[in-house]
Amino acid sequence: NAGVTQTPKFQVLKTGQSMTLQCAQDMNHEYMSWYRQDPGMGLRLIHYSVGAGITDQGEVPNGYNVSRSTTEDFPLRLLSAAPSQTSVYFCASNSLAGAFYEQYFGPGTRLTVT
Amino acid sequence: TQLLEQSPQFLSIQEGENLTVYCNSSSVFSSLQWYRQEPGEGPVLLVTVVTGGEVKKLKRLTFQFGDARKDSSLHITAAQPGDTGLYLCAGATPSTSYGKLTFGQGTILTVHP
Repeated sequence: NAGVTQTPKFQVLKTGQSMTLQCAQDMNHEYMSWYRQDPGMGLRLIHYSVGAGITDQGEVPNGYNVSRSTTEDFPLRLLSAAPSQTSVYFCASNSLAGAFYEQYFGPGTRLTVT
Repeated sequence: TQLLEQSPQFLSIQEGENLTVYCNSSSVFSSLQWYRQEPGEGPVLLVTVVTGGEVKKLKRLTFQFGDARKDSSLHITAAQPGDTGLYLCAGATPSTSYGKLTFGQGTILTVHP
């Protein structure tokens, strides 16, 4: 199993550009989520999905869109990049079968917006 | 909003020393997880504690869940340079749905040879 994969690893955008961060998992997990990690802030939840066709907002959703057309894929779209979106983005997944929601993380995408 | 406060935020020690990282909240958690993250990688789960007063050991790492399930600690004995990384605690409350965890802000540990 590859686990959770993310592409690209690094990305530089200019203010106003759009892009999609890709995330895929091969563990058949129902739950997938996107976090951003900033120094001293821990991990903050952007959006999450409990299954194909179902998404919801997390703690910091503004400026981001998501969709979930398959169990495996959960892309994150930046509509019009802003410098405040400079961060490291992590995708995670977990099974809803267990009670403890132990999450598996991808390797992250480091995004810089100039 | 449930908050998890981790302390200290930074820890720089010499190889062989012991250390403790704390994770505190005013909320009750049904389970609490500890993750370790190395530079350039995603967090990796170390342990999950679910019962008040529970103690789990993972080699030189000892994890404890408070009796009231509002706090947890991670103790490392005889730290090694390979322990260097960011340690994150994350909790699920009784009302948490679908794996929406609350994360602490993390403790950056540096162990010098």
